[in-house]
Parts: sequence; C-alpha cells; structure tokens
Amino acid sequence: EAQVTQNPRYLITVTGKKLTVTCSQNMNHEYMSWYRQDPGLGLRQIYYSMNVEVTDKGDVPEGYKVSRKEKRNFPLILESPSPNQTSLYFCASGVGTGEGEQYFGPGTRLTVT
Amino acid sequence: AQSVTQLDSQVPVFEEAPVELRCNYSSSVSVYLFWYVQYPNQGLQLLLKYLSGSTLVESINGFEAEFNKSQTSFHLRKPSVHISDTAEYFCAVSDSGTYKYIFGTGTRLKVLA
Repeated sequence: EAQVTQNPRYLITVTGKKLTVTCSQNMNHEYMSWYRQDPGLGLRQIYYSMNVEVTDKGDVPEGYKVSRKEKRNFPLILESPSPNQTSLYFCASGVGTGEGEQYFGPGTRLTVT
Repeated sequence: AQSVTQLDSQVPVFEEAPVELRCNYSSSVSVYLFWYVQYPNQGLQLLLKYLSGSTLVESINGFEAEFNKSQTSFHLRKPSVHISDTAEYFCAVSDSGTYKYIFGTGTRLKVLA
C-alpha cells in the first residue's frame, strides 16, 4: 500500500529534550515536506526537500532541523523543543515541483511542557 | 509573497443543500491551486487541483472548483452535500516552478441532518 508513515503518532516531552519525528514514504517520491497545523493558522510549511541531500526552508523553519540522506526518509529534528512548538505535525511527499499532489502522513501530535 | 485567504472558518449547512467554500490567493502570476480535505483525526487528502486548461475542475465525489484569474479566486462548490462531507477543507497554492506550498487557514464544513 502506498503510504507516508510517521512515528511517533503522539509525543509528550519537556522543554529542551531533543527529539526526532520520523517520516518515511514508499512511493519513490523525490519531494518531501514537513508542516505544522495550529488552530486558526492552518498548515504552515516548515522545511521541504526536492531530493536527497537537497533541502530548503519553508515559512516557519526556526527551531527545526531536517535531513534527507535517503530518498524515502525525511526526519524532523527538534534540538531544543519549546512549548510554542506544541502542534500537530504532518509529513508529506509528492512528485515534481509545485504542480504535484502531495500525499500526507497521519500526523504527529507533539506536546512540549 | 504568496498568500491564501479562506474567509469562512466554519460553514454549517443542511444536508442536500448547496455549499460554496471561498478561497482567494494573492498573486495571479502562474500558480497551481489545490483543495485538500481533512477528515477528523486524519491527514489531508487531495480533493481536486487546477494546473492549466479548463478553469472548472471536478472531483469524483461531486465537488467542483473554478479558477478565476481576474478575481484570484478558486472557490469550491457542491450542489448537494451529504453528512459524510463534514470535514475541514484547505485551499492551497503553489507558484509555478517552486516547491513551496501555501495553505489557507481552513474551513470547517459541518453538514446538519
């Protein structure tokens, strides 16, 4: 089954404790992206990757890191989480430039206390 | 910078009534337009998209959207809604040749029996 998987689905952590949210896709997509969803703000793009070893900032990259060492994986790293990073995070993958459909993962609900 | 406006945060409508969800974007330079749907506790799924050609695009479940370049709009319509259409709907835009996607803040459609 073609899908984007994220782990963990739920995470509660404390301020400053480094964490990684994994994202994997099995559709051989070149494009992958991370979003955060907050009430009243919709989805905002954090980082995206056009291919292996090629990443760029979205609209809200502060406090996040990403890496793309393999085509199928695109982990999101929070080196020192803060409460304002409490959010619902989605990973997505797709083909081509902005004309392509994006396929979204199920989401990761992160709470930072 | 590109932006997307969904003026209606919530739209209640009775079953079998028509509905229109509004979406406006800021730039009329070559863009790709999308509507995504998010059912409760799920990721986003593509509903329909406009890349080029006919300005009226349709989805398999009866939704349609019309690209209006002069008004920079991409409103979503359905002539007769069902209870199962209850979800949050997001309009998104991508500038041609880029990898950045901008999402609107979403419209919660609640279909009433």
